[in-house]
Amino acid sequence: QLQLQESGPGLVEPSGTLSLTCTVSGGSISTSGYYWGWIRQPPGKGLEWIGSIHYTGDTYHKPSLKSRLTISVDTSKNQFSLRLTSVTAADTAVYYCARRGGYYVLDVWGLGTVVTVSS
Amino acid sequence: ETVLTQSPGTLSLSPGEKATLSCRASQTVSRSYIAWYQQKAGQAPRVLIYGASSRATGIPDRFSGSGSGTDFTLTISRLEPEDFAVYYCQLYGSSLITFGQGTRLEFK
Repeated sequence: QLQLQESGPGLVEPSGTLSLTCTVSGGSISTSGYYWGWIRQPPGKGLEWIGSIHYTGDTYHKPSLKSRLTISVDTSKNQFSLRLTSVTAADTAVYYCARRGGYYVLDVWGLGTVVTVSS
Repeated sequence: ETVLTQSPGTLSLSPGEKATLSCRASQTVSRSYIAWYQQKAGQAPRVLIYGASSRATGIPDRFSGSGSGTDFTLTISRLEPEDFAVYYCQLYGSSLITFGQGTRLEFK
């Protein structure tokens, strides 16, 4: 059974860099046809897609975040990562990783990890 | 960028009633790229419907999706207590993913 698990610091200082990793277990990240993505949800608000990556490195980003965002993949570790620079309080959210499967739906999700931007 | 607008923002109903949730796109989209998710408090979302009308694995048949063009609907035929949650529609287009702002389904 495929499982995804987010990990990383829960607290980031303003103007700092937010770094998260998603570890995939129960399946290979290198399976063709799937993309691996990040989604966030600010407290009390809706879902916001951040970006997706294929194991080949093909990447798509939300346009408004593109200048601050790096998504990378490490197939040897079956992981993919998110790096967001110059963070502000507006980046405080629950961050989820998920698999984008057939019909472009996010069909397997991690449990989510809370990231707070504060000094 | 296509915007998805969900209505109503909050829907107050009782178990056994029928729920109708709307998702309107700012321009015509392919129904193949419309999905619906359910999110319960403290949990990750789970996909209910993909391709506008196909139920995901394990989703009860009281959930159904319909629509085309710019207007899409999620219908829950007879509400069960576990159905009270927040529902999001989602669009895939031009390699980007967009969510609606959500509809909260609450107990009346």
